[in-house]
Amino acid sequence: RKEVEQDPGPFNVPEGATVAFNCTYSNSASQSFFWYRQDCRKEPKLLMSVYSSGNEDGRFTAQLNRASQYISLLIRDSKLSDSATYLCVVNIGGSNYKLTFGKGTLLTVNP
Amino acid sequence: NAGVTQTPKFQVLKTGQSMTLQCAQDMNHNSMYWYRQDPGMGLRLIYYSASEGTTDKGEVPNGYNVSRLNKREFSLRLESAAPSQTSVYFCASCRDRVEKLFFGSGTQLSVL
Repeated sequence: RKEVEQDPGPFNVPEGATVAFNCTYSNSASQSFFWYRQDCRKEPKLLMSVYSSGNEDGRFTAQLNRASQYISLLIRDSKLSDSATYLCVVNIGGSNYKLTFGKGTLLTVNP
Repeated sequence: NAGVTQTPKFQVLKTGQSMTLQCAQDMNHNSMYWYRQDPGMGLRLIYYSASEGTTDKGEVPNGYNVSRLNKREFSLRLESAAPSQTSVYFCASCRDRVEKLFFGSGTQLSVL
């Protein structure tokens, strides 16, 4: 099992759609989880951290399932500006300093 | 506030040439990182520096060296470039232990 594995995508959705991304991680000792967003030819930027109880930021909801070693990102009411690659990020093995990135899932929101 | 600044933005090398990628942050962050990003591979950690004076290997350190020159600066050196090192390189920093990473805008490196 790969350390961090994401839906391969790509996802093509119409404006206003709800889309969900999934990510699994291999090491049960991992403690920190994040979703990053990367626009084409740009650097990654933190979208949101993922907390055990789940958390929401506007149209974005992140969930963590430790038992299944699974995290998810839900985007409601998709906007054209949501088009980007979404990266699942985990501190593998509970390292205080090292983050491992998934390969990313490309989302295109169409008018 | 510039954040994380990387230079150069683009570089073309011939096999066997050496070069140093520079990175500086002005956020007083303790930890700094070098990643490479290749199509289909995602971001992979090359080296990191948890604090000034320390450096550690990441997932793909072979062929690279780093120097944490001071708290602000963390450089990545390719002593003898190889075509397999063609990639986009990102420097990043964070305040302390794993939390929000701030990335530079990247260096597109081609080794011919």
